[in-house]
This record gives sequence, structure tokens and C-alpha cells, in this order.
Amino acid sequence: NAGVTQTPKFQVLKTGQSMTLQCAQDMNHEYMSWYRQDPGMGLRLIHYSVGAGITDQGEVPNGYNVSRSTTEDFPLRLLSAAPSQTSVYFCASKWGYEQYFGPGTRLTVT
Amino acid sequence: GQQLNQSPQSMFIQEGEDVSMNCTSSSIFNTWLWYKQDPGEGPVLLIALYKAGELTSNGRLTAQFGITRKDSFLNISASIPSDVGIYFCAGQYNNDMRFGAGTRLTVKP
Repeated sequence: NAGVTQTPKFQVLKTGQSMTLQCAQDMNHEYMSWYRQDPGMGLRLIHYSVGAGITDQGEVPNGYNVSRSTTEDFPLRLLSAAPSQTSVYFCASKWGYEQYFGPGTRLTVT
Repeated sequence: GQQLNQSPQSMFIQEGEDVSMNCTSSSIFNTWLWYKQDPGEGPVLLIALYKAGELTSNGRLTAQFGITRKDSFLNISASIPSDVGIYFCAGQYNNDMRFGAGTRLTVKP
């Protein structure tokens, strides 16, 4: 049981480039979410999904897209990276009220 | 949106001392949770609180869900070096979960 996995662990992008952060979970959880973590600001919710085919916006959705075609996978897409998107990104899945986080992706946009 | 105020921002304590941190909000939550994050890792759930007034323990950790549903505290007794890390509170209302900014704990042996 791998839990929540994220790839890549580190990524450097140039302004305007696009990329997809991958997230997968093997716990059959319906609820998955993406957060960004910035110094002194805790974690902020970007997008979430309550099941395959259903996604919704969180607190800071601008500049990010998501889709949920399967229960296991919840990729996060940056269409045109900006320096303000430099952050650590965490994917999570939830059972009831207990949320399980992946190890994170550290993204730098230059 | 709902904001959580977590304090203190950081604490430097001696091994064996007790620690207390808290979170307050201007809005009510259905659930309060406390997480710990080690460097380079994702947050790990320590304690979950499901109803107002609830007091829950997990080993040396004790947390309470405030009676107004707008606050929670976490106590760590007899701290040890492996308690070092960042502790986050989180409040949840339906599908919306908000996090505090974290308390960075340093324990001196």
C-alpha cells in the first residue's frame, strides 16, 4: 500500500512553460485535493475532487487546472507557469475527515 | 474566506518541557485537526476532533475542540527531540479545509 504518491519531487520551469504534476493514491479514496505551501502561510487549497469526473475550485485556483478521470489519479496542470507559482505542492486523499498527504513537489519558476 | 490564526509562530523549548499551541478562527468548523510536518515530508495527522468540547489524547499529545467551534489547542507533554517539526491546525467545514500558518517547534536536548 503506497498511500499517496507524487511525481516529480523537484521541478524547475521557465516562465510561460507548462507542466503537469502527477498524483496517485491506492486507497480507493473518493476525495482528493491539491494544496500549495508557501512560507508563513500554511497550506492553501487549490482544487479538489469528490469523485471521478467531479472537480471544484478551492481557495487559490487561478493558474491551475485539474481533471479526475479515475479514482486513483488527480493530476494538476500549470498551463503557463509564473514566478508566483513557485511553491511546494501537496496532493492529498481523504477518508472521512482523515486526510493523507503525499511527499510533495517542490516547484521553482524562474 | 475563513482564516485561521495559529500561535505561537515558533517555540524554542528544553527537552522535557510541556508545549501548548492554539488556533482561532472567525468562523465555525465541523472538525478540527492537528498535523505535524517533518522537513521534506507531507503533513501527518496527529489528532482529529469531531465535536465541540471534545478533549482527545494520543500519547503525550492532547487536543481540544473549543466549545464555540472557533478554536482548538494542542498540548505536548514532556517534549523529546523527535517532537521537532512544524505543527499545523486545520479546520474543516463540509469539503472546505483551511490550515493555520504553523508553529515551528525546536527542542533543545
